[in-house]
Amino acid sequence: KQEVTQIPAALSVPEGENLVLNCSFTDSAIYNLQWFRQDPGKGLTSLLLIQSSQREQTSGRLNASLDKSSGRSTLYIAASQPGDSATYLCADSGTYKYIFGTGTRLKVLA
Amino acid sequence: SQTIHQWPATLVQPVGSPLSLECTVEGTSNPNLYWYRQAAGRGLQLLFYSVGIGQISSEVPQNLSASRPQDRQFILSSKKLLLSDSGFYLCAWRSRTSGSGDEQFFGPGTRLTVL
Repeated sequence: KQEVTQIPAALSVPEGENLVLNCSFTDSAIYNLQWFRQDPGKGLTSLLLIQSSQREQTSGRLNASLDKSSGRSTLYIAASQPGDSATYLCADSGTYKYIFGTGTRLKVLA
Repeated sequence: SQTIHQWPATLVQPVGSPLSLECTVEGTSNPNLYWYRQAAGRGLQLLFYSVGIGQISSEVPQNLSASRPQDRQFILSSKKLLLSDSGFYLCAWRSRTSGSGDEQFFGPGTRLTVL
């Protein structure tokens, strides 16, 4: 049974710092790996989707990587800004059902 | 482009009252549809998913039920709400026509408070 873990649960960094958010999964037979952002009281916004055959995806200041053999995905945020403050979740998309991590709450300090 | 709507945005209900939350998707057909609940400070819990009209899979035994009367409409219901039903309810859709490369998209959510 796939389990997805995100550590740390919370992270505070000064503005301008480059940072990495971690996502670990127990079953390397991952379908696709999707990263989401959730602002307080809001729904989830899709950031990046890495297909199982891919190693990474990039969008603006965001870069997500996938290493199935080690059971890890990372979300790299370059030059962080206060507007990046949110909870970030990763998920194994599965054939039908998504399996989510519990998220990392990021705070970027001005 | 595809959009997903949920209503109401917020709801305050007494214990024992019924519930009906609605989700509709525009701009796509034959989507997989999902209901999640997010309790305060906790992760996403998948409640139900549907791969077609009238086809509902339940993930967690509870006093909630779901229905899909139309291709792009998903309804979450309860006959009698419990205090533990309070939370943030999210509807999501996912394309069924693509294999790898498909994404899941979420609605804005409904904040339910049961008093």
